[in-house]
Amino acid sequence: GDSVTQMEGPVTLSEEAFLTINCTYTATGYPSLFWYVQYPGEGLQLLLKATKADDKGSNKGFEATYRKETTSFHLEKGSVQVSDSAVYFCALSANNAGNMLTFGGGTRLMVKP
Amino acid sequence: NAGVMQNPRHLVRRRGQEARLRCSPMKGHSHVYWYRQLPEEGLKFMVYLQKENIIDESGMPKERFSAEFPKEGPSILRIQQVVRGDSAAYFCASSQGRHEAFFGQGTRLTVV
Repeated sequence: GDSVTQMEGPVTLSEEAFLTINCTYTATGYPSLFWYVQYPGEGLQLLLKATKADDKGSNKGFEATYRKETTSFHLEKGSVQVSDSAVYFCALSANNAGNMLTFGGGTRLMVKP
Repeated sequence: NAGVMQNPRHLVRRRGQEARLRCSPMKGHSHVYWYRQLPEEGLKFMVYLQKENIIDESGMPKERFSAEFPKEGPSILRIQQVVRGDSAAYFCASSQGRHEAFFGQGTRLTVV
C-alpha cells in the first residue's frame, strides 16, 4: 500500500539556519504530495502542495519539489524563525483518492533564538 | 466563515464507557474525513463520509467504532466500550468536493 517516510526528529536549529526535512514516498500511479504543519495544541494546516512531477510548492518561505525519479518531496527553508517551531507532516493523496491522505510520522522542529 | 469545529476538545472516559466525538464541517462542505493520531505518531485515515453516506471506511477498526454524517447536524465518531489503546487525538477534516480539506483542532481522548 501507499506509505510516507520522513526523517525522525526532533530537529533543533538556531534562528536563521537552513532547514531540510526529508520525505520519501511509495505509491502507485501519480499521487499529489503535501506538507502540513501542526502548531502546539492545534490542528493541521496545509503548508504547501504539489500535484505532479517537477512541481514546486511554496508558502511562507518554505519550498518542496515533487521528484518522481527519487520519489521524494523534501521540505526546505532558507532561514528559519522561532515561530516556525512546530511538527511538520509529509502526506500523499493517491490518484483519485480525493482528500484521503496518507501521512508520514511527523518531524518536530525546534528553533532556538 | 468559521473553520471546522470539533467538540469536545478534551474528553476523558473510563474503560468500558462510550465516547462521542463531534465534527461540524466548514459551511458549504459536504465531505468529512476522520483521522486518528496516536502519541508520537502520524495521522491515520479512518473514514470518509458524505452527507448520509459512508464513502470509505477502510481505516476504521472492525469493532466498537462507527461514524455517521446525518443530513442535519454534525458528523459523529462513536467509540463503544473504550479501552486504553483508544487514547489518541482524533481529527476531523472537511472539504467541498475534491478541493483542499481543512482540519479541525482535534479531540484528545484519554481513557483511564
